[in-house]
Amino acid sequence: NAGVTQTPKFRVLKTGQSMTLLCAQDMNHEYMYWYRQDPGMGLRLIHYSVGEGTTAKGEVPDGYNVSRLKKQNFLLGLESAAPSQTSVYFCASTSSPGDRVLPQETQYFGPGTRLLVL
Amino acid sequence: LAKTTQPISMDSYEGQEVNITCSHNNIATNDYITWYQQFPSQGPRFIIQGYKTKVTNEVASLFIPADRKSSTLSLPRVSLSDTAVYYCLVGDPFSSYKLIFGSGTRLLVRP
Repeated sequence: NAGVTQTPKFRVLKTGQSMTLLCAQDMNHEYMYWYRQDPGMGLRLIHYSVGEGTTAKGEVPDGYNVSRLKKQNFLLGLESAAPSQTSVYFCASTSSPGDRVLPQETQYFGPGTRLLVL
Repeated sequence: LAKTTQPISMDSYEGQEVNITCSHNNIATNDYITWYQQFPSQGPRFIIQGYKTKVTNEVASLFIPADRKSSTLSLPRVSLSDTAVYYCLVGDPFSSYKLIFGSGTRLLVRP
């Protein structure tokens, strides 16, 4: 039982390049989330998904796209990377039955992906 | 949008009690307040949550006043391994995604 895994762990991109971050969970959770973490700003929600085939925007969605084709996977894409997207990206999942995300549902986080855009 | 405020950093010594307060206004009425701990190069992990008054588990206590405009995480007798960043998490009744993390408090425990 690996929990939440993220691929890759570290990546360097040049401005304008594209890439996809992969998140996988083996806990059969319904909800999955992508956050970015920047110094002094905590964790900010980029996109989230309440189930297979559904996605929704979070607080800072611009410049990112997501897909949830399989329940266990949540992909985060950067079509044209910018230096402002240099950050640490975390994926999380919760079991969250219901139709909205709740802070009381324990979030299980992956180890993070460190992205540097030059 | 709900807003949260936490101290940027705190210092303590082994064996002391540490209290970290998160101020939060405009939070969702029926949601709990949750705290997470994050070690370097790791994702955050759940510590404790509560709705009102006091909650205690094997790791920490959480104090929430009746007006729910703040919450205080209490770590009894800290050790070096408690050095980490601590985040509060609240629900936002004004946005569709509903989750707002605090900016985090970096706790340094000295020998």
